[in-house]
Amino acid sequence: QVQLQESGPGLVRPSDTLSLTCSVSGASITSHYWTWIRQSPERGLEWIGYVSNGGGTNYNPSLKSRVTISMDTSSNQFSLKLTSVTAADTAVYFCARERFFYDSEAFDMWGQGTMVVVSA
Amino acid sequence: DIQMTQSPSTLSASVGDRVTITCRASQSISGWLAWYQQKPGKPPKLLIYKASTLENGVPSRFSGSGSGTEFTLTITSLQPDDFATYYCQQYSRFYTFGQGTRLDIK
Repeated sequence: QVQLQESGPGLVRPSDTLSLTCSVSGASITSHYWTWIRQSPERGLEWIGYVSNGGGTNYNPSLKSRVTISMDTSSNQFSLKLTSVTAADTAVYFCARERFFYDSEAFDMWGQGTMVVVSA
Repeated sequence: DIQMTQSPSTLSASVGDRVTITCRASQSISGWLAWYQQKPGKPPKLLIYKASTLENGVPSRFSGSGSGTEFTLTITSLQPDDFATYYCQQYSRFYTFGQGTRLDIK
């Protein structure tokens, strides 16, 4: 059974870096694509970016200058760093798997989500 | 950016009803569309991918159709567990979600 679990600080100061980790169990992150998505009342569901099974990355153009997603195959985890945060980055952050065989089969597994508040 | 627009934003229905939710893309996305169900405090749950393929374990009362720019999610014979918010999502170029359709009990 595949499970994803987000972890990281729930409060981040403005202008600081938001750092989250997603721990994956029941599947290897060397298969499929691994994604970060956030949700807020103001912006709805917003894709942040992914790291592929080979370590390649792709980011939302609107966030690209501030985002880094990386993977650690030894711990079966992947991580998100978002720099220079503002109140607009306050959201529930989800990690998810994009199931990818011959082509994409959408986001089939999700973590429970972690609330991150940006505030002084 | 590909924009996804869902209608209606809110839908009231009764147990046993048949409901349809529409999703329109701002440009053609072929069949690269998914539908999700989300309940409060939970992550979205994948229902349908590639516009019409039912995810394993999802009841057959859910179905999806469409291609290009117009898509529909249909739920036949609504069950109490189906009252939730539904999102469409395109994955043709990057990934964008619709704004959601909240399905309420009438």
